[in-house]
Amino acid sequence: EAQVTQNPRYLITVTGKKLTVTCSQNMNHEYMSWYRQDPGLGLRQIYYSMNVEVTDKGDVPEGYKVSRKEKRNFPLILESPSPNQTSLYFCASSRHRDKTEAFFGQGTRLTVV
Amino acid sequence: AQSVTQLDSQVPVFEEAPVELRCNYSSSVSVYLFWYVQYPNQGLQLLLKYLSGSTLVESINGFEAEFNKSQTSFHLRKPSVHISDTAEYFCAVSDPRYGQNFVFGPGTRLSVLP
Repeated sequence: EAQVTQNPRYLITVTGKKLTVTCSQNMNHEYMSWYRQDPGLGLRQIYYSMNVEVTDKGDVPEGYKVSRKEKRNFPLILESPSPNQTSLYFCASSRHRDKTEAFFGQGTRLTVV
Repeated sequence: AQSVTQLDSQVPVFEEAPVELRCNYSSSVSVYLFWYVQYPNQGLQLLLKYLSGSTLVESINGFEAEFNKSQTSFHLRKPSVHISDTAEYFCAVSDPRYGQNFVFGPGTRLSVLP
């Protein structure tokens, strides 16, 4: 089954404790991206990657890091989480510049206290 | 840069009634237009898209949207809704030059009442 898998689905952490949210896709897609979803703001892009070792900032990259060492994986790293990073995070993948749909993971709900 | 406006944050409607979810966008270049649906506790799923050609596009579950270039709108409609259509709906645009970098609207929560 074609899918984008995020882990964990739910996470509560404390301010300043480094964490990683993993994202993996099994569709051999070149393009992957991370979004955060906040009430009234929709989804905003954090980072994206057009292929292995190629990453770039989206609209709200501050406080986040990513890496793309393998085509299938695109982890999101919060080096020092803060309460304003409490949000619902989505990973998505698609064929690069494809006009068809992007596939989204089921989301990770992160709470930073 | 693009932006997307969804004027209605919540739309309650009775089952079997028609519904329209509004979407307006601004962009200095031509864009692709999308509607995504998010059911409770799930990720986003593509509902329909406009890339070019016919301005009226349809989904497999009875939704349709019409691209209106002069009004920069892409409203979503369904003539008769079901309880199962209860979800959050996101309008999005992308710049064809940059692949799948979507700009999403804030979303409209559709609640279908029995």
